[in-house]
Amino acid sequence: NAGVMQNPRHLVRRRGQEARLRCSPMKGHSHVYWYRQLPEEGLKFMVYLQKENIIDESGMPKERFSAEFPKEGPSILRIQQVVRGDSAAYFCASSPSTRETQETQYFGPGTRLLVL
Amino acid sequence: GQNIDQPTEMTATEGAIVQINCTYQTSGFNGLFWYQQHAGEAPTFLSYNVLDGLEEKGRFSSFLSRSKGYSYLLLKELQMKDSASYLCASRGGATNKLIFGTGTLLAVQP
Repeated sequence: NAGVMQNPRHLVRRRGQEARLRCSPMKGHSHVYWYRQLPEEGLKFMVYLQKENIIDESGMPKERFSAEFPKEGPSILRIQQVVRGDSAAYFCASSPSTRETQETQYFGPGTRLLVL
Repeated sequence: GQNIDQPTEMTATEGAIVQINCTYQTSGFNGLFWYQQHAGEAPTFLSYNVLDGLEEKGRFSSFLSRSKGYSYLLLKELQMKDSASYLCASRGGATNKLIFGTGTLLAVQP
């Protein structure tokens, strides 16, 4: 049973380019969460999605950032016109679809984004 | 609002016991999680508490007091490989999202 998968594991972009980060949840999980972790800091919630729906995007910057979780395929976190301050580790987590379980979030290995 | 506080760093000796405390203020509180994160790696789930009391899982135990907004993670028989960051996270709010503390960096010394 594969865990949460993220790709790429490392991504280098120049200022102004677009970064596209992918996340495939664990099998049977339909809830996806994105977090950002800056060096020496904790995980910061960005967005919570279910299939084809954004449930909570209260942690997303208002500009340049967007997320989707289509009916088919992985969840995508897109950062347009990247700036150096976007350099961070971006983690995806998934949890089961039923509310009767404890809904533990399981994390992927992360994508380390470096903006030059 | 939501707020999590935990110590930034702790040091302990191999074979000993260490307790990492966490206080939280979470509207619509619905559970307290502990994760372990080694440098450069993903957080891995350790424990979950939603009711008051102690949950034991091998060398790790976690305690919750909802009335005090307080939790701790207890690590027994410390091993060198336990050197890592330990993240406290509360779940709550309208969408049950997780809010993480900054993590406690534990250094286990010989």
